[in-house]
Amino acid sequence: DAGVIQSPRHEVTEMGQEVTLRCKPISGHDYLFWYRQTMMRGLELLIYFNNNVPIDDSGMPEDRFSAKMPNASFSTLKIQPSEPRDSAVYFCASRDTSGGYGLHYEQYFGPGTRLTVT
Amino acid sequence: AQSVAQPEDQVNVAEGNPLTVKCTYSVSGNPYLFWYVQYPNRGLQFLLKYITGDNLVKGSYGFEAEFNKSQTSFHLKKPSALVSDSALYFCAVREIYNFNKFYFGSGTKLNVKP
Repeated sequence: DAGVIQSPRHEVTEMGQEVTLRCKPISGHDYLFWYRQTMMRGLELLIYFNNNVPIDDSGMPEDRFSAKMPNASFSTLKIQPSEPRDSAVYFCASRDTSGGYGLHYEQYFGPGTRLTVT
Repeated sequence: AQSVAQPEDQVNVAEGNPLTVKCTYSVSGNPYLFWYVQYPNRGLQFLLKYITGDNLVKGSYGFEAEFNKSQTSFHLKKPSALVSDSALYFCAVREIYNFNKFYFGSGTKLNVKP
């Protein structure tokens, strides 16, 4: 398997523009997570999905952020409008619980998207 | 609430020497603890986990971690460091009642010098 795939790897945009980050989880994984990593706040969980359904979005910082998972192999994280403080590395991760709920705890992370908002 | 702390921003060790990366935890029940490694421009990779059982947990790439309940610690160790071990290491704790919520430490940069 190719692992979790994220695109783009780098994104530079101007304040006020819409940004869309994309993620393809590992095939067969039923959980998908979006994280944000900054120097100040470390790694934060933004939202996660189970079988394409958003379960917990309490980490989404504000209404400018939205995430969707239209099918099992694709998810997007959208920021509209973007602000300089959104500059961070955004990670997508997926997890497989098919072996029994809770038995498989590891999350598999993608390489991340480095977002710079000027 | 669950949390972990990594008291060292950076650890420097010579190749061939043993290494320790420290982590302490705070949980309101039995802890579920993890170590992840992040290489430059890469996502986090799972190294090992403690769920229950033996206090010494063995993981990938020769790493191991020792769970110490009385000291609320979960230090990552390796008997002989390699230059290729240089990376950012994260300790994490899973929430007690939610298998999907992890809280990560701030990370420790490990530098292994030849």
